[in-house]
Amino acid sequence: QKEVEQNSGPLSVPEGAIASLNCTYSDRGSQSFFWYRQYSGKSPELIMSIYSNGDKEDGRFTAQLNKASQYVSLLIRDSQPSDSATYLCAVNGAGSYQLTFGKGTKLSVIP
Amino acid sequence: GAVVSQHPSRVICKSGTSVKIECRSLDFQATTMFWYRQFPKQSLMLMATSNEGSKATYEQGVEKDKFLINHASLTLSTLTVTSAHPEDSSFYICSASLWDYNEQFFGPGTRLTVL
Repeated sequence: QKEVEQNSGPLSVPEGAIASLNCTYSDRGSQSFFWYRQYSGKSPELIMSIYSNGDKEDGRFTAQLNKASQYVSLLIRDSQPSDSATYLCAVNGAGSYQLTFGKGTKLSVIP
Repeated sequence: GAVVSQHPSRVICKSGTSVKIECRSLDFQATTMFWYRQFPKQSLMLMATSNEGSKATYEQGVEKDKFLINHASLTLSTLTVTSAHPEDSSFYICSASLWDYNEQFFGPGTRLTVL
């Protein structure tokens, strides 16, 4: 059974700090990796996708992928209170349209 | 980015009635659409995968006769909750993906309350 594990948190960081969110996955054949942000009562919003080993940067967000370690992370620089949300890690395998979601990490950025 | 709409955003109904939820991809043709359910403080649970013109594939434990899915075109999928009961009250969210990409774009969700 494919699993995606995340620390449920809450993760509290002060405003302006770097928030580091981690995710591990069980299916070694996984090909695509995504980070979604979900505000309370809202649907998930795609913020990053990463497909190959290494880092991918988009504004204040950096996704890091290490397939050998089956590990993907999201760094948020200069964290803002508006970043306070639950962050979902999602993974899909080769030839599969379906995403397997982690349970999410709740991030709280303290002003 | 790709935009997915959902209608209605909120519905309250009596037990035993049926509710239809529409999911539309507004600026792209979605080869595959997905329906999720999310209970409070829990993660997303995939209910079914829907491809245009073919029958939906339901996840284990999801009753296909209770949750009817129709994917009539590349931009529209509908979920009908038949004979709804209070335990069906939940946040229903659809998503859509493009053929060459694995990203799923989510609709804003429909909050269903069954009295």
